Amino acid sequence: GQQVMQIPQYQHVQEGEDFTTYCNSSTTLSNIQWYKQRPGGHPVFLIQLVKSGEVKKQKRLTFQFGEAKKNSSLHITATQTTDVGTYFCAGANTGNQFYFGTGTSLTVIP
Amino acid sequence: GAVVSQHPSWVICKSGTSVKIECRSLDFQATTMFWYRQFPKKSLMLMATSNEGSKATYEQGVEKDKFLINHASLTLSTLTVTSAHPEDSSFYICSAVRQVIAFHEQFFGPGTRLTVL
Repeated sequence: GQQVMQIPQYQHVQEGEDFTTYCNSSTTLSNIQWYKQRPGGHPVFLIQLVKSGEVKKQKRLTFQFGEAKKNSSLHITATQTTDVGTYFCAGANTGNQFYFGTGTSLTVIP
Repeated sequence: GAVVSQHPSWVICKSGTSVKIECRSLDFQATTMFWYRQFPKKSLMLMATSNEGSKATYEQGVEKDKFLINHASLTLSTLTVTSAHPEDSSFYICSAVRQVIAFHEQFFGPGTRLTVL
């Protein structure tokens, strides 16, 4: 079946430092989505990338979709304590079924 | 954003009983809903795709007779865990898909914590 891996699994950063999580799929994706899940909460949609090589920005967050549509990254500039949570990518196949990555848990140290 | 509700938010049941979980999209119609299972500190595992008016599509390894899915309307999908056993204890989350042209945005319900004694 489709596998979506994310690295790192955990990341501790000092407030103000940058953070990046990488997502890799075993198959070519139709599109990819990113979600944030706070402890005890449910995943919240952040963004969807559809085009090969696409780059999108949301304030301090930068999302990239690889040229081969098999990998993606999320970069946070100057992290804040409000960025704490687990970030998941979710890769979609041609049937628009989404397979979640393993997640990266971000801890921001004040 | 759109709102998706799940009911109940938590349930404790005895082994051998069946539990029904409802997933509703409150302010949009969703032809597709997904059911996921999440273990503590783990990722979401796609269990099945629920399509309004047709049979659900189950992922490999998910027993369709164990996890019955019914997508009765464009705003409601139900997951019934039949003859539940302790190993079925988990956090079950649904999502409803709102499609706008090429974008398929998933809105997640708050989840249902199932504990089987």
